[in-house]
Amino acid sequence: GAVVSQHPSRVICKSGTSVKIECRSLDFQATTMFWYRQFPKQSLMLMATSNEGSKATYEQGVEKDKFLINHASLTLSTLTVTSAHPEDSSFYICSARRTVNEKLFFGSGTQLSVL
Amino acid sequence: GESVGLHLPTLSVQEGDNSIINCAYSNSASDYFIWYKQESGKGPQFIIDIRSNMDKRQGQRVTVLLNKTVKHLSLQIAATQPGDSAVYFCAENQAETSGSRLTFGEGTQLTVNP
Repeated sequence: GAVVSQHPSRVICKSGTSVKIECRSLDFQATTMFWYRQFPKQSLMLMATSNEGSKATYEQGVEKDKFLINHASLTLSTLTVTSAHPEDSSFYICSARRTVNEKLFFGSGTQLSVL
Repeated sequence: GESVGLHLPTLSVQEGDNSIINCAYSNSASDYFIWYKQESGKGPQFIIDIRSNMDKRQGQRVTVLLNKTVKHLSLQIAATQPGDSAVYFCAENQAETSGSRLTFGEGTQLTVNP
């Protein structure tokens, strides 16, 4: 199947700093990428939908100024957690698909720990 | 919909037994359903999918059943193995005019005892 690479796999940062997470589709062009957040023992919660070349669509309750999403090319989307705080500590997962009717492929996730 | 619980439902089975994991979905307009397996610290891994015009689909050792009347989805794993231990999520695809979005169920922790 298609490969989605997510980097870094783990990051520890100080409160107040910004962290960038990258999501790349390695062997296909992804028109749409999705960003999820997952807290321990819970399900994946969709944060935003990112279409190449346009602004991301955020889910209700997700602060767009805090979670900056950029999808500048068909193979790369980035999520920047700005001014991170301990409550932002979570497992962040991206996914990508080529077209609307194709299945999603997931990255391996990024564990963010904010001290 | 989104999960708000703090505890995952659990299922514990003996190696070699069959496992059945259930899921209730929320949107009667959802047209596509997927089961994912997630191991600790990793992203979800696709297992099997089914479209709303079907009620059963089989893969290798796995079968998905869809009951649209009661909005229920199940995953059957035959001859469960220790490597099947993971959290299993169902996901529903809610088609929209601007594309589609995937919403995950709460998940079930499957533990396979040797």
